[in-house]
This record gives sequence, structure tokens and C-alpha cells, in this order.
Amino acid sequence: NAGVTQTPKFQVLKTGQSMTLQCAQDMNHEYMSWYRQDPGMGLRLIHYSVGAGITDQGEVPNGYNVSRSTTEDFPLRLLSAAPSQTSVYFCASRNRDRGQKLFFGSGTQLSVL
Amino acid sequence: AQKITQTQPGMFVQEKEAVTLDCTYDTSDPSYGLFWYKQPSSGEMIFLIYQGSYDQQNATEGRYSLNFQKARKSANLVISASQLGDSAMYFCAMRAYDYKLSFGAGTTVTVRA
Repeated sequence: NAGVTQTPKFQVLKTGQSMTLQCAQDMNHEYMSWYRQDPGMGLRLIHYSVGAGITDQGEVPNGYNVSRSTTEDFPLRLLSAAPSQTSVYFCASRNRDRGQKLFFGSGTQLSVL
Repeated sequence: AQKITQTQPGMFVQEKEAVTLDCTYDTSDPSYGLFWYKQPSSGEMIFLIYQGSYDQQNATEGRYSLNFQKARKSANLVISASQLGDSAMYFCAMRAYDYKLSFGAGTTVTVRA
């Protein structure tokens, strides 16, 4: 029972580098999202998707891109990493029912030097 | 826009005692859902409890209960008979008409033996 799988768990980047955080879920959930967690600020929504081919911006989308070519996968791309993007990133998914909880991945600790 | 406020950055509680974590929210939508998540030091996000805005009764899940006061826009989490394993950060979150889940800044709970 894999649930939501995020890779990598840890990553160190230099300023200006690009990378992709991977997220996959095996629960056939329509809704997927990316959050970043910073001390004292809770979790802030970066991007989300309500189904394959549909994405939208959240609260803090600048510097990040997403795509949703399949139901299972929702990668997050950092175009040109900046120290301000040092954070813990969580991918989450749920089904269409609005009362359903989000299932979270285990998180990615990203440091940008 | 939805807003979640958790005013208690940190709390100490004695083992076996009850603790109440405050959460207030702001939304103009008549239909919304309120969630509480636990994040232990391992970093995973654990769903605790859910309350729908039209639910007549306060939600309960084992030792967790949600004190929902709709007129005051308050959704406090009550943990009864605290255990050492309850030491963690706790997040209140809300979803309104859209698919997005907004989180508060969190409250750190430390249970003392």
C-alpha cells in the first residue's frame, strides 16, 4: 500500500540550478497538490491539480512549475533555484469528495545554497 | 480568501491531562470543512479529525474531539488523556468551496511525564 510517494527525500542545490521533485500516488485520486512548509508559516499551497491535464496556482506559485499528464503523477519543477526556496515540500492527494482528507507524502527537505 | 489562525505557538501539558488547541477561521462560504493534522518530529502529516460546516454534532475520533462553534468561527481540537506520543506540531486546516486546503501556522504541543 504505497499511497503518496515523493522523491527524493533530501536534496541540496546551488542557486540557479533546476530540478524536479517527483510525486506519485496509486489511489486513483483526482486531486493532487504541492505544499511548502516553513517555520512559523504552516503549509502553503504552491500548485494543485483537479485532474489530468488541469493545473492551477496556489498561494505561492512563483518559481515553480507543474504538469499533470497522468492521474498518478504530479511533478514539481524548480526552474532556477533560489535560497528562498529552501523548505520542506509535501505532495498530497485526495479523491473528489470535499470531505475527504488529504493523504500526504513523506516530504522532501530541499536546501538551496 | 480563507484564513486560519492558530494563536498558540507552543503549549506544555502534563501527561494524562486534557489540552485544547485553538483554531479560528474566516470564510464567507456557507459550505466548508475543517481538518486537524498532527506532525510528529519524524515529519509525516497524520490526519486526526474532520468537521463539516453542516454537521450537527461535534466530531470525535478516539481521544480527539473537535469543539466546533460555528457562530464564533472556531474549531478547537481537544486531546483528552494526553500521552507522551502526543508531543508534536498540530495544524488546523480549512477547505471551502474550492479544492484548496489552507493551513494555520501550527501549535507545538509538548507532553511532560
